[in-house]
Amino acid sequence: GDSVTQMEGPVTLSEEAFLTINCTYTATGYPSLFWYVQYPGEGLQLLLKATKADDKGSNKGFEATYRKETTSFHLEKGSVQVSDSAVYFCALSDGQAGTALIFGKGTTLSVSS
Amino acid sequence: GAVVSQHPSRVICKSGTSVKIECRSLDFQATTMFWYRQFPKQSLMLMATSNEGSKATYEQGVEKDKFLINHASLTLSTLTVTSAHPEDSSFYICSALYRNTEAFFGQGTRLTVV
Repeated sequence: GDSVTQMEGPVTLSEEAFLTINCTYTATGYPSLFWYVQYPGEGLQLLLKATKADDKGSNKGFEATYRKETTSFHLEKGSVQVSDSAVYFCALSDGQAGTALIFGKGTTLSVSS
Repeated sequence: GAVVSQHPSRVICKSGTSVKIECRSLDFQATTMFWYRQFPKQSLMLMATSNEGSKATYEQGVEKDKFLINHASLTLSTLTVTSAHPEDSSFYICSALYRNTEAFFGQGTRLTVV
């Protein structure tokens, strides 16, 4: 079945450092890809998404490009802030209406000043 | 964007009692809602898919008699943890599908069974 693999954390960075969180997927069809962020004690918020190959999702300085040839959707940010500290989840949807998202295990990011 | 409200955000209950968690789509109708469980430092595990007006579809290994799901209206789904035990302590998150395609998530419920 479909699956998502993302890099294990935690990732610890200093403020203004460059961030990459790797995410790869396995899917039989043409999935949509997502990054969600979860702040401590809260639910999930959609950070960005891409619905087809070569699409780039971006939001709040974060970017991810849907790479079909490498089945990847790596999350990047050029300069992280302390407020970016959270857990980041990569997820896919198989594109069928009414189906649930499949999540990776999450990567904890900790940014220090 | 669409808003999903989950209540309560935290609940502590005694072992053997039942707890109800509500998930509401505030500004849209959701035919389909999902219930997830999140263990510490782990991903979200899909428990069940809730469709308005019909029985929920449970994932393998999830006890449907223990985790009762009712999706009585297009804006409300409830998860009742029956005869709760300490091992049921977890973070439960719901999501609702907007226009049957995009998922919006509730804030989550931290359940502690003592």
